[in-house]
Amino acid sequence: EAGVAQSPRYKIIEKRQSVAFWCNPISGHATLYWYQQILGQGPKLLIQFQNNGVVDDSQLPKDRFSAERLKGVDSTLKIQPAKLEDSAVYLCASSSTEAGRMDTQYFGPGTRLTVL
Amino acid sequence: AQTVTQSQPEMSVQEAETVTLSCTYDTSESDYYLFWYKQPPSRQMILVIRQEAYKQQNATENRFSVNFQKAAKSFSLKISDSQLGDAAMYFCAYRSNDMRFGAGTRLTVKP
Repeated sequence: EAGVAQSPRYKIIEKRQSVAFWCNPISGHATLYWYQQILGQGPKLLIQFQNNGVVDDSQLPKDRFSAERLKGVDSTLKIQPAKLEDSAVYLCASSSTEAGRMDTQYFGPGTRLTVL
Repeated sequence: AQTVTQSQPEMSVQEAETVTLSCTYDTSESDYYLFWYKQPPSRQMILVIRQEAYKQQNATENRFSVNFQKAAKSFSLKISDSQLGDAAMYFCAYRSNDMRFGAGTRLTVKP
């Protein structure tokens, strides 16, 4: 089966610009996650969707970050405006069990964002 | 807030030998799940092993096993018969209401 797809793989922008990342989860997976992984740290959960509803966005900086999952499939994560500290790898993951805590998360290759 | 601590930023092991990666966590919850994820240099993270907190028996997956000490809030990963392909970043993760990852341990396997 195809894995989690993400694009672009790399993005370089100036601070205060906007950027968007795209994620296509594994077919049939109800739950989708966005993580931010800063260099030298573990991933930090930004937002979790179950189908097209938000389950947890407590760590999403809502003044500049937004995410949507239309039709419960693909998802986009947007940053507007970007700050230097947003430089990180943005990981998307999906799992099949609806909001199940034991579910195995399958990760995409990530998008490496550099903010200059 | 729940925190996950991996006290070993780097570890190395000789091929075919055994290595143990440490992980401790802090929580007041009684129902939670613990995971070890592997992130090779290509950066695609994959699940290595997982443990339900209510189970006393330690999880095993082929050459990978855990030592889960609930009272001590410790969840170490043992890799037996290490292979070159085991070289990666290893992340310990905790999940109750949300998912928390440790900072990772970089494992090097020497031929």
